[in-house]
Amino acid sequence: NAGVTQTPKFQVLKTGQSMTLQCAQDMNHNSMYWYRQDPGMGLRLIYYSASEGTTDKGEVPNGYNVSRLNKREFSLRLESAAPSQTSVYFCASTPRGLAGAEFFGPGTRLTVL
Amino acid sequence: GQQLNQSPQSMFIQEGEDVSMNCTSSSIFNTWLWYKQDPGEGPVLLIALYKAGELTSNGRLTAQFGITRKDSFLNISASIPSDVGIYFCAGLMGNAGNNRKLIWGLGTSLAVNP
Repeated sequence: NAGVTQTPKFQVLKTGQSMTLQCAQDMNHNSMYWYRQDPGMGLRLIYYSASEGTTDKGEVPNGYNVSRLNKREFSLRLESAAPSQTSVYFCASTPRGLAGAEFFGPGTRLTVL
Repeated sequence: GQQLNQSPQSMFIQEGEDVSMNCTSSSIFNTWLWYKQDPGEGPVLLIALYKAGELTSNGRLTAQFGITRKDSFLNISASIPSDVGIYFCAGLMGNAGNNRKLIWGLGTSLAVNP
């Protein structure tokens, strides 16, 4: 099993450009999450999907959209990137019955110039 | 919003020493979790605690779910260089699904001098 995979690993964007961060898990997990991690701020939840077909806002959703394409895949889209969105983005998933026990991907390091 | 106070923020210790870190909150949690993050990687779950008073070990790691449900600690015994990293606590409120809310501490950065 590959666990949680994320692409790309690194990305540099110019202000105003758009991009989609991809995430997939092969563990048959129901819930999936997108976090951003900034120095001194810890992990902050952007969006989550409790199950296939549902998505909900987390703590910092502004400037982002998500799509739960199927049970395996959960993508994060930046429609018009801003320098404030420079961060490390992590996707995570949780199996049914183990709330809080999140399995993280390796992260995408995004720089917006 | 809810916050977790994780301390210390950073530690620099000698190899072989024991380490202790903790998280406290004014809120009550159903579950406490401890994660470790290596540089350039995502966090990895170390220990999950599901009951107040529960004491759980994972090798050299021991964690406890405080009896008041508002705190938790993590101990690492006989530290080794590969213990280096950032340790995060997280507290879970509610259940899985839309009621779930996972609150994260800001991390304890551990450096080990061989």
